[in-house]
Parts: sequence; C-alpha cells; structure tokens
Amino acid sequence: SYELTQPPSVSVSPGQTARITCSGDALPKQFAYWYQQKPGQAPVLVIYKDTERPSGVPERFSASSSGTTVTLTISGVQAEDEAAYFCQSAENSGTPVVFGGGTMLTVL
Amino acid sequence: QVQLQESGPGRVKPSETLSLTCTVSRGSIKTSSFYWGWIRQPPGKGLEWVGNVFYTGTTYYTPSLRSRVAMSVDTSKNQFSLKLTSVTAADTAVYYCARGIAVAGDYFFDHWGQGALVTISS
Repeated sequence: SYELTQPPSVSVSPGQTARITCSGDALPKQFAYWYQQKPGQAPVLVIYKDTERPSGVPERFSASSSGTTVTLTISGVQAEDEAAYFCQSAENSGTPVVFGGGTMLTVL
Repeated sequence: QVQLQESGPGRVKPSETLSLTCTVSRGSIKTSSFYWGWIRQPPGKGLEWVGNVFYTGTTYYTPSLRSRVAMSVDTSKNQFSLKLTSVTAADTAVYYCARGIAVAGDYFFDHWGQGALVTISS
C-alpha cells in the first residue's frame, strides 16, 4: 500500500524555523495537505493544495514541494505551535486519501 | 461555520458492529460542494482514512476496510453514519467525522468533529 513518510519528531527553539518533511512517490502528481493536531483535539487544516493557507492560519505557516518531498515550514516558531503535524495526499490511480505517520514538533 | 458532532456507543464487544452517527449543524449535508468523511486514530497513533459518503449515498472506502464498512446519509436529519462490522481490538480508536472537499480526484478535510473514542472490549 502507498505510504507517506514523515520524521517522527522535530525540535526547535522559539523564534527559529521548523521544517517538517513528507515523502511519497506520487507527490509530484498529487496535492499535499497538512494538519496540526494538539493533544486531545481534532486535527486542524493548516495547508491545502500544496501551498494554500486557510483563513485564520497564521502567515508563519507555509509549504513547498520538490520532487517526491513536500515540506511544511513554520517560521518564527511559537510555543503554541507545539503539536503533531500530519501530511495527507493521494495515491496515483488509487486510494484518494492517505495520511503520513505524523511528526511531533517540540518547541524547546 | 459548519459544526460536526459524533455520537454513538463508547464501547463495543468484539465481533459486533460499531455504529456512529455524525450530526452536521450550521450547514446542509445536502450539497454538491462537499463530501462527508470518517477518519480514525488509534490511541497514540496516526490518522487513518475510513471513507467518504456523498449526500446522494455514493460511497468511497479505504481498501483495507472495504469488506467491513458501510456509510450512509440521512438528509432529513442532516446526519451521516458509519457502521463497521466484526470489530476487533485493532478497531479501538478515536473516530472523527469531517467535511471533505474534492480536488482533482482526491479529498481534504476542512472541518472536523471533536472525535469519539470507541473501545472494543468484552
């Protein structure tokens, strides 16, 4: 089955830039989406269609793609950004919704 | 903005059927703009898409659960439902309902319910 691979954890100090990657063979042809999930809460969409930011999501959240890897970037990380982040995409001619394993962002 | 709320038993016995309902408020489920989905998350683990249902009743299920899952819509109650048969401990999870948007053959979810923990245990 198709997989999206994320690092289990990323740590940064407040004010620094966090980068979370997501790798998958179909990513050059499929959109990527990113969700933020804080403990005990439902996921929240932070990026859609590769680089678009929903209204209400701070401008410090951005995303980019290069080949089979997409990257969520959080500039000027704040303590409130500490959360799990999940990427989501689709399999070429297959399952339309696949989630990455998630990355826990720790703000030191 | 739209709100979603899951409801159903918090405990189901092994081999029985898990049933959950999602009530949609502040928006109609009967719209061609959105799909309605279920996503689950075992305790301490990642997200797993279960499937989507359109207001017409058209469904899309993840391959690994296709033989055990059924989704339906009740437009008169503005609700959609999930049934998962022959459950085992591996089906223990928080089940989220969510509003899905279709984009070029795939979907993403812009609004989520708070989630309902379902434990499979005798």
